[in-house]
Amino acid sequence: DSGVTQTPKHLITATGQRVTLRCSPRSGDLSVYWYQQSLDQGLQFLIQYYNGEERAKGNILERFSAQQFPDLHSELNLSSLELGDSALYFCASSVGDQREQYFGPGTRLTVT
Amino acid sequence: GESVGLHLPTLSVQEGDNSIINCAYSNSASDYFIWYKQESGKGPQFIIDIRSNMDKRQGQRVTVLLNKTVKHLSLQIAATQPGDSAVYFCAETSGGSNYKLTFGKGTLLTVNP
Repeated sequence: DSGVTQTPKHLITATGQRVTLRCSPRSGDLSVYWYQQSLDQGLQFLIQYYNGEERAKGNILERFSAQQFPDLHSELNLSSLELGDSALYFCASSVGDQREQYFGPGTRLTVT
Repeated sequence: GESVGLHLPTLSVQEGDNSIINCAYSNSASDYFIWYKQESGKGPQFIIDIRSNMDKRQGQRVTVLLNKTVKHLSLQIAATQPGDSAVYFCAETSGGSNYKLTFGKGTLLTVNP
């Protein structure tokens, strides 16, 4: 158990809908990272937050957004969902300036 | 663009043998590398890391070798056990103030009893 929690574990929704994925980092970790894992693209970095502020952006679509709250939990919002958004979404956390990231169990999103 | 890739998509070994998983990277600015293990239905789990100023680093039953000349990284697992069966990813960062990881495609390691 990495100490990172993600909810929900599974999510099934229809195209065009909007969903919110939630992540709670390990106690004491200030950085939260979101990744998407699909069969054809592998693990892709989406976005990083550090202590409430956006720190880095990767291959994140404009339909996707994220935020980190004062209690350090983070949410990833996916809107106007398409079939191709079906994937595993992982959250990871790390202590401020350390690169060792601890991953949560992921949320499996299925768009039908 | 820059990428991190794996030479072998699958590797099958006998229990007790040593395993070697390889990874090539193309970003010459990469200065930190990590190996992750991902078991079915779980998130990636940190195994071992190495900085670019090192050639070798050892952990418990695992060793990571870094050859910066040819941009090659390997993970050696000694006395491989059935519990080592998983997908192994190498990942790299190129430093700066953020630590986004760029992952390779992954190698599936199967350990036969």
